[in-house]
Amino acid sequence: DTGVSQNPRHKITKRGQNVTFRCDPISEHNRLYWYRQTLGQGPEFLTYFQNEAQLEKSRLLSDRFSAERPKGSFSTLEIQRTEQGDSAMYLCASMDGTGSYEQYFGPGTRLTVT
Amino acid sequence: GDSVTQMEGPVTLSEEAFLTINCTYTATGYPSLFWYVQYPGEGLQLLLKATKADDKGSNKGFEATYRKETTSFHLEKGSVQVSDSAVYFCALKSNFGNEKLTFGTGTRLTIIP
Repeated sequence: DTGVSQNPRHKITKRGQNVTFRCDPISEHNRLYWYRQTLGQGPEFLTYFQNEAQLEKSRLLSDRFSAERPKGSFSTLEIQRTEQGDSAMYLCASMDGTGSYEQYFGPGTRLTVT
Repeated sequence: GDSVTQMEGPVTLSEEAFLTINCTYTATGYPSLFWYVQYPGEGLQLLLKATKADDKGSNKGFEATYRKETTSFHLEKGSVQVSDSAVYFCALKSNFGNEKLTFGTGTRLTIIP
């Protein structure tokens, strides 16, 4: 068990560019979550997958954001036409399906839009 | 909607002091409640949890009791150490089928020797 990993750890991009982040959950965790955290705030829920199905999406997830989990393992989060307001830490978490309620978080990807 | 209100920081204490970080929540029904901790340079880690009223979660000397009557889940520790310096987040998960965690804004704790 190597924990949840996220890549890249840091991303600097210019406004208007597209970016993609990857999350590798703990193996055999069927649930995967994306959150966004801005400075001085707690994480805010973006979306949730059970296996490959995207079951919940926050209204924070505008049409510029898309998330996938094609084979029920790793997930990607893409932001198109980035804006300065997208600058934040993007966190991924995973959980097994046993009812433990414990979400295991990755270290996050820090996005800076210049 | 669901919300969590957390004691604002930063909080600075001397080693061996008693710690309380207040957390209250608004939610329908009976949510599950959590405290997460984020040490410098690391990801969020679950510290403790309680899934029903009057449950007490405990871990590493920290405790929190689920109080339905006051909608609270205050974090306490009897004697803090320098290694407890971190940001602490209170969170809830609704029991109405959605999977998301709703977090408070976090409380930065610094323990001085």
